[in-house]
This record gives sequence, C-alpha cells and structure tokens, in this order.
Amino acid sequence: NAGVMQNPRHLVRRRGQEARLRCSPMKGHSHVYWYRQLPEEGLKFMVYLQKENIIDESGMPKERFSAEFPKEGPSILRIQQVVRGDSAAYFCASSPTGGMGYEQYFGPGTRLTVT
Amino acid sequence: AQRVTQPEKLLSVFKGAPVELKCNYSYSGSPELFWYVQYSRQRLQLLLRHISRESIKGFTADLNKGETSFHLKKPFAQEEDSAMYYCALSGGSNYKLTFGKGTLLTVNP
Repeated sequence: NAGVMQNPRHLVRRRGQEARLRCSPMKGHSHVYWYRQLPEEGLKFMVYLQKENIIDESGMPKERFSAEFPKEGPSILRIQQVVRGDSAAYFCASSPTGGMGYEQYFGPGTRLTVT
Repeated sequence: AQRVTQPEKLLSVFKGAPVELKCNYSYSGSPELFWYVQYSRQRLQLLLRHISRESIKGFTADLNKGETSFHLKKPFAQEEDSAMYYCALSGGSNYKLTFGKGTLLTVNP
C-alpha cells in the first residue's frame, strides 16, 4: 500500500492565481481530512470529506477555499485568487472510517508558496 | 474550545539520557490524546495514543487528567529519535485533530 499520496509536493503560485492540491487516500479508505500548517504553527483542521460529501468544513476559510472528494479520483483542495497568507504546508490524511479513535494516516504534504 | 500546548520548541539531549517532551491540553470533556512524529524527510506518523497504553520505540505517555497533561517520555534517548514531535487531541466523538506547535528533539551523540 503506497500510503496517502499528495501532489504536487511543491507548488508556486503568483498572487491572484488558483492553486489545486490533490490527495489520493490509502486504498480502502473513504474518509479524507485536510489540514493546514502555517509557518511556526501546528497543523490546523480544515475540512473532512467522504466520497461525494463534505461532512465538516468548519475549519475552511469562508472565501476562496473549496474542497471536493468525487466518486472517482482524488480529493481536491482548491484555493482561488491566492494571497501571500495562503503560503503554508497542506496535509491530507485518510482513515478507513470516521469518528474518534480511528487513526488518520497522513500524506507527505504540499508546500504552497505564493509569490 | 480545545487547545494543545507544547511549551518547548526545541529540546536537545545526549544519547542515553532520559527525555521528556511536554504536552498540556485544554478540553472540557474526555479527550483522546496522541503523539505524532515526523522524522527528517518523512511524513507525519502516529507514534502512540493514550487509549491503547502502548510503548512504542521505548516511548510512553500517560494521560494525567488532573494536570491536563500527556507528556512523552523515554528513559534512554537514541540518536534515531531525533525528529519533530507533535502532541494532538481529539475531543468527544470528534474526528478533528488539534495539534500543538511541535517540539524538535535532537539527540546528540
């Protein structure tokens, strides 16, 4: 099992461009979580998705950010009109099911730099 | 609101010395606490969780509800323990993990 895959590993965008981050969960996992880590900070929860459903997006900024997990293909975190403050590491995790007590397996992260 | 505090940003010890990485939390209910570790150039991985009461790679952590702490301990540090360690909390039936800022442990030869 290759583990959680994220691509790209590094992404550079100019202010105002769009960033698309992809996450392929581990085989057999249908629950995906996105976290953001700003410099010098811990990881912060953004959104929890199951296939075709957003379960909890309470950690997502109200504007410019969206996430999806389609029936086929990876989960996508989309950031429109990026600003310098979006520069961070974005981590995806997956689990076989949701709820407390289920280990979340993390991907290597995507480091977004906004110039 | 739930919060995790790791007061030490950096911790340096010599090989063979005991090590303790501190973690304090704030949560009104019954939390589940985790320690995650990130070795150089590797992904974040679960080291241990309080509910399983395991000892992994010689590390242990005891949940102290009175002091709201979940400190990570190892009696004899090894050079391969050098890594970034994150304490995390999950509250109630909540899948959200709340992470501390992490402690970078360096074990010197």
